[in-house]
Amino acid sequence: GESVGLHLPTLSVQEGDNSIINCAYSNSASDYFIWYKQESGKGPQFIIDIRSNMDKRQGQRVTVLLNKTVKHLSLQIAATQPGDSAVYFCAESPPTRKLVFGAGTILRVKS
Amino acid sequence: DSGVTQTPKHLITATGQRVTLRCSPRSGDLSVYWYQQSLDQGLQFLIQYYNGEERAKGNILERFSAQQFPDLHSELNLSSLELGDSALYFCASSVVRENTGELFFGEGSRLTVL
Repeated sequence: GESVGLHLPTLSVQEGDNSIINCAYSNSASDYFIWYKQESGKGPQFIIDIRSNMDKRQGQRVTVLLNKTVKHLSLQIAATQPGDSAVYFCAESPPTRKLVFGAGTILRVKS
Repeated sequence: DSGVTQTPKHLITATGQRVTLRCSPRSGDLSVYWYQQSLDQGLQFLIQYYNGEERAKGNILERFSAQQFPDLHSELNLSSLELGDSALYFCASSVVRENTGELFFGEGSRLTVL
């Protein structure tokens, strides 16, 4: 597969540890946020979303936290596995309803 | 498999040429989105169609155009190609009209302009 972001921040974690990927969004009027995962050679894949009336949402092994005060979003992955290695993008939905994607973070899982 | 099909997967062409990228959305999805992904720009929204009509426009150059056909497949036309147009072009689809919610992405078309 091909790398989609050679200049992206990289997070390296040991298999079994928890991962926290952070994202700063730009528009204080955005009311919907999404995390996508992109594996090498594939298109982005939806992981989890959260609306602005919530500050936390949990899925299977993943949790998204939203701090509207500082316009910050984080994705927590519990018990990280080698299959979690990918580029992770946050996206915000402003009033224009045109999804804006962040630059992405590379997650590398060491076995 | 997201259910979104894009062709071709790879395309190499020369500056000044014109190419067409094709996308078939998931069955039942009425919205089709086009995104450009390059190393220095990340994922950039280009344009959205909903049920055959243009719904939203992003950072799409005038040299680029798109359309959605009655069978809901979409084509992205790129003309007068420049070196900087080399990128991955993704198509995504969704059921809803608004550019929110879960988008299902295809595997992309990698365009290389020499």
